[in-house]
Amino acid sequence: SQELEQSPQSLIVQEGKNLTINCTSSKTLYGLYWYKQKYGEGLIFLMMLQKGGEEKSHEKITAKLDEKKQQSSLHITASQPSHAGIYLCGADMEYGNKLVFGAGTILRVKS
Amino acid sequence: DVKVTQSSRYLVKRTGEKVFLECVQDMDHENMFWYRQDPGLGLRLIYFSYDVKMKEKGDIPEGYSVSREKKERFSLILESASTNQTSMYLCASSFWGLAGGPGELFFGEGSRLTVL
Repeated sequence: SQELEQSPQSLIVQEGKNLTINCTSSKTLYGLYWYKQKYGEGLIFLMMLQKGGEEKSHEKITAKLDEKKQQSSLHITASQPSHAGIYLCGADMEYGNKLVFGAGTILRVKS
Repeated sequence: DVKVTQSSRYLVKRTGEKVFLECVQDMDHENMFWYRQDPGLGLRLIYFSYDVKMKEKGDIPEGYSVSREKKERFSLILESASTNQTSMYLCASSFWGLAGGPGELFFGEGSRLTVL
């Protein structure tokens, strides 16, 4: 969706390095969701953020929603080959029952 | 665990054929969604449903229809398949979220459709 921009489009990192993926919205975000997808498979939920300034972590992955609730970042610490895949952000931009998704970021981790 | 099951992982159809993609969820979710995923475009919403027999158009409904006769089942129908409908199709379901939005979506494994 043009309303939700992800950057970078793709990323290759050396195993052990840190990385950040950004998701920027043109509108206020009422809910921001991060998903991971392995090639050819469905999406796996990582975490959801709703409040401005909120930060959540799961294992080595941390996501933040900025105060103005228009941008989120996903940070991976000490990347591993198991982190490789496509990361997508999805957003609830208005009261309703659908999510809009960004185009995704392809992450490759070199051993 | 929540399970969203899509009937076919891979399909190959010919132009003009009618195609049915079935999706079943076992968590009594109110909302169900059909997305298509294409490289560089991410997920685009085709149709969604928030109740039995209810349906709403998403961003790209042209060439598709849906059916929700039972709460657990949401079908996507391509009346006359065309080559530009070659794609990965993903079904998802959710409860209503606390803020009135869709809440966490649970996705199926996807159905990769090729139209020749």
